Amino acid sequence: SQQGEEDPQALSIQEGENATMNCSYKTSINNLQWYRQNSGRGLVHLILIRSNEREKHSGRLRVTLDTSKKSSSLLITASRAADTASYFCATGPNYGGSQGNLIFGKGTKLSVKP
Amino acid sequence: DGGITQSPKYLFRKEGQNVTLSCEQNLNHDAMYWYRQDPGQGLRLIYYSQIVNDFQKGDIAEGYSVSREKKESFPLTVTSAQKNPTAFYLCASSIARSNVKNIQYFGAGTRLSVL
Repeated sequence: SQQGEEDPQALSIQEGENATMNCSYKTSINNLQWYRQNSGRGLVHLILIRSNEREKHSGRLRVTLDTSKKSSSLLITASRAADTASYFCATGPNYGGSQGNLIFGKGTKLSVKP
Repeated sequence: DGGITQSPKYLFRKEGQNVTLSCEQNLNHDAMYWYRQDPGQGLRLIYYSQIVNDFQKGDIAEGYSVSREKKESFPLTVTSAQKNPTAFYLCASSIARSNVKNIQYFGAGTRLSVL
């Protein structure tokens, strides 16, 4: 069953603009991760945020987590054409202290036009 | 050069045929996973293994089988019982399943088509 659901499904912006993607999930989590997938390739891990953290930065990436709303956002600042890819959130569910496997959403397809 | 290697990159299956997708990792990770990705969709878990000689069914295991005889290797067989096998298959590994050790590292994928 899908836990994370990304919004929007597709996003098209100009180079230099910021891109924001959102993820909502249903159950309690230990951590939430964001991955990137270039067309026809495997996924690459971008950033992990733990359930007791609210914000995390890595280079041009900023991730926020609101466990009360069961939602996260990924912000890519000053986007580049090379950022064009699909972005997935993945949640590590917490089943009463026992952690389940990562559950991936359907992804947001980002297109950055030069 | 550490990582996960999937082969082949492209695979064609004939009606009634079993095919095996290879996945090898040299990251010394205990946990390994197989996912199926359909166009425009997220990843669905087929099988996972937490340790050598142990594996568990994921959400869509029917028509698939795996083995984990060595830590480095986790091959996936798509059997003739899988009636709709056309998809992109991704193998991943992680240090473990739990907490921050569950960051997954992915291979480049195998695209399977039916002839």
